[in-house]
Amino acid sequence: DAGVIQSPRHEVTEMGQEVTLRCKPISGHDYLFWYRQTMMRGLELLIYFNNNVPIDDSGMPEDRFSAKMPNASFSTLKIQPSEPRDSAVYFCASSRYRENTEAFFGQGTRLTVV
Amino acid sequence: EDQVTQSPEALRLQEGESSSLNCSYTVSGLRGLFWYRQDPGKGPEFLFTLYSAGEEKEKERLKATLTKKESFLHITAPKPEDSATYLCAVQPPYNTDKLIFGTGTRLQVFP
Repeated sequence: DAGVIQSPRHEVTEMGQEVTLRCKPISGHDYLFWYRQTMMRGLELLIYFNNNVPIDDSGMPEDRFSAKMPNASFSTLKIQPSEPRDSAVYFCASSRYRENTEAFFGQGTRLTVV
Repeated sequence: EDQVTQSPEALRLQEGESSSLNCSYTVSGLRGLFWYRQDPGKGPEFLFTLYSAGEEKEKERLKATLTKKESFLHITAPKPEDSATYLCAVQPPYNTDKLIFGTGTRLQVFP
């Protein structure tokens, strides 16, 4: 398996534009997690899905953020409209078991909003 | 509020100079504590899970230990390839699907 695949690897956009980040989890993994990483706050869980259903979105910072998982092999995280403070590295991770043991992370998307 | 604090923020070691990284937490009734390694430009990579005080796990030059309030990652005779950021995360009892991460320790090992 190629692991968790995220795209794009880098994204530079202007404030106010819509941004869509994409993730393909490892086949057979039932859990998918979206994290945001910044120097100040470290890794923060934004939302996670189990069997394509959103379970907890309490980490999503604002209504500008939304996430979907239309099928077991694809998820998106959308920011609309984007703001400079959204600049961060966004990671997608997947795991097989409920207790989040050994989650596998993607390479991340570095988002810069100017 | 549940918190995970890692220290030091950064550590510079000479090759072969052993040391320890600390992870302290305020989560009561911890279900699990995880250590990850993160290389620049990459996602975190799983190293260990510890579940109970007194437990130890080893992998090559790394050994993780757990007490009731903190965990240590001991690095014995490190090599330059051990240079990375080491992240600690805890699994709270009220939601075992979640991990609460610390901000990491950035380790640099010089030849």
